[in-house]
Amino acid sequence: GNSVTQMEGPVTLSEEAFLTINCTYTATGYPSLFWYVQYPGEGLQLLLKATKADDKGSNKGFEATYRKETTSFHLEKGSVQVSDSAVYFCALGSGNTPLVFGKGTRLSVIA
Amino acid sequence: EAQVTQNPRYLITVTGKKLTVTCSQNMNHEYMSWYRQDPGLGLRQIYYSMNVEVTDKGDVPEGYKVSRKEKRNFPLILESPSPNQTSLYFCASRGQVRTEAFFGQGTRLTVV
Repeated sequence: GNSVTQMEGPVTLSEEAFLTINCTYTATGYPSLFWYVQYPGEGLQLLLKATKADDKGSNKGFEATYRKETTSFHLEKGSVQVSDSAVYFCALGSGNTPLVFGKGTRLSVIA
Repeated sequence: EAQVTQNPRYLITVTGKKLTVTCSQNMNHEYMSWYRQDPGLGLRQIYYSMNVEVTDKGDVPEGYKVSRKEKRNFPLILESPSPNQTSLYFCASRGQVRTEAFFGQGTRLTVV
């Protein structure tokens, strides 16, 4: 079946550091890929998405590229801020079933 | 404003007392689903629905029921809650295959 594996946290970075959160997937067919963010006490919000191979999703300085050859969708940001502290989820959508999520990676950014 | 609304946001109940968590979306989405979020386990699917009167089990359906009598509503029912159902619950909806899901704000349930 479909599955998503993302790097375990927590990840602690200093402000303005470079961020990478790894995500790989297993799926049949051609899934869509997503990154969601969950700020403390809130629900999940879509951060970015990509619907086909080589697509790059971007939002709020975050980027991720859909790599079919390596079945990956790594999240990157060049310079993190304290306000980026949150839990990040990689997710996969395929067919007419609900999205499948990774376990989440908690990011803490310190000033 | 497009949104998914869950109620209540917080609930403390006792073992065995039936409860319902409501979920409503105003985007005319076909797909709706319930997840639970537990530390170290991420988001796990409980039940989902592809349209009115069509529901299916997710990965952890035991102890839960759902119904989809109207397109906009997808309540989650715990007939006899137990402490292992203490969790953070999220409802989500999607318009079409391959599109993103929209999430409610979550319901934090404690069963004592």
